[in-house]
Amino acid sequence: AQSVTQLGSHVSVSEGALVLLRCNYSSSVPPYLFWYVQYPNQGLQLLLKYTTGATLVKGINGFEAEFKKSETSFHLTKPSAHMSDAAEYFCAVNTGGFKTIFGAGTRLFVKA
Amino acid sequence: DTGVSQNPRHKITKRGQNVTFRCDPISEHNRLYWYRQTLGQGPEFLTYFQNEAQLEKSRLLSDRFSAERPKGSFSTLEIQRTEQGDSAMYLCASSIGTGQADTQYFGPGTRLTVL
Repeated sequence: AQSVTQLGSHVSVSEGALVLLRCNYSSSVPPYLFWYVQYPNQGLQLLLKYTTGATLVKGINGFEAEFKKSETSFHLTKPSAHMSDAAEYFCAVNTGGFKTIFGAGTRLFVKA
Repeated sequence: DTGVSQNPRHKITKRGQNVTFRCDPISEHNRLYWYRQTLGQGPEFLTYFQNEAQLEKSRLLSDRFSAERPKGSFSTLEIQRTEQGDSAMYLCASSIGTGQADTQYFGPGTRLTVL
C-alpha cells in the first residue's frame, strides 16, 4: 500500500534561509510524486510534480524537489525563504489508478 | 478559467440532518475528485469521476455519503444523517487528462460543522 510521511508538522526558518521540507513515501511501484501548497483560505495549489525522467524537478516560486528512489524521498527545498512562503505544504503520491495519497502536511513559518 | 468553485463555503448543521455540497469544476475538465480534510491532516480521497461516471470510491465513503456528477459537469456530495465525526473540510478538485499524473486544481472547500 502506498503512503506518505512528512517529517515535522511545523518548520520555522528565518527570511533568507534555506527551506527544507521532508517527504518520504512508500510504494511498490514507480510513483508519481507531488508537492502542493495551501495558503490560508485558499485551495491547494500544485508546486511541482515528478513523473518520469529528470529526478530534480523545478516548480513555481523558486521551489524544487529531488526524487531519490534509493531513499524513497522527495524533499522540497528553496534556497532563500521569503515571508510569502509561509503556508502549509503537502507531499502526495500516486502509484496508478486515480487515488492520490497526501501526507499530513508541514506548516512553514518564516521569521523576519 | 475561473477556477474550481464550491458552495456553500461553510455549513453548520445539527446531527441527523442531511447536507448537500456543490462543486463546479473548471470547464472542459473531464475529471473530478472529492476529498475530506480534517484538522492537522492532509486531504483524504473520497471519490473520483471521469465525466459522469463514478470510477473509484474510497472505503471511507460510508453508505451515508453519495456523490453524483450528472452530465459530467458540476458535482454534488450528499451526506445523510450527519454525525459529529463528519465535521471536516470537503474539497473538490478537477483535472483534464488521461493519466495518473494530471495536475489537480482544488477549490476552496466547504467547511462542515455538525453540532
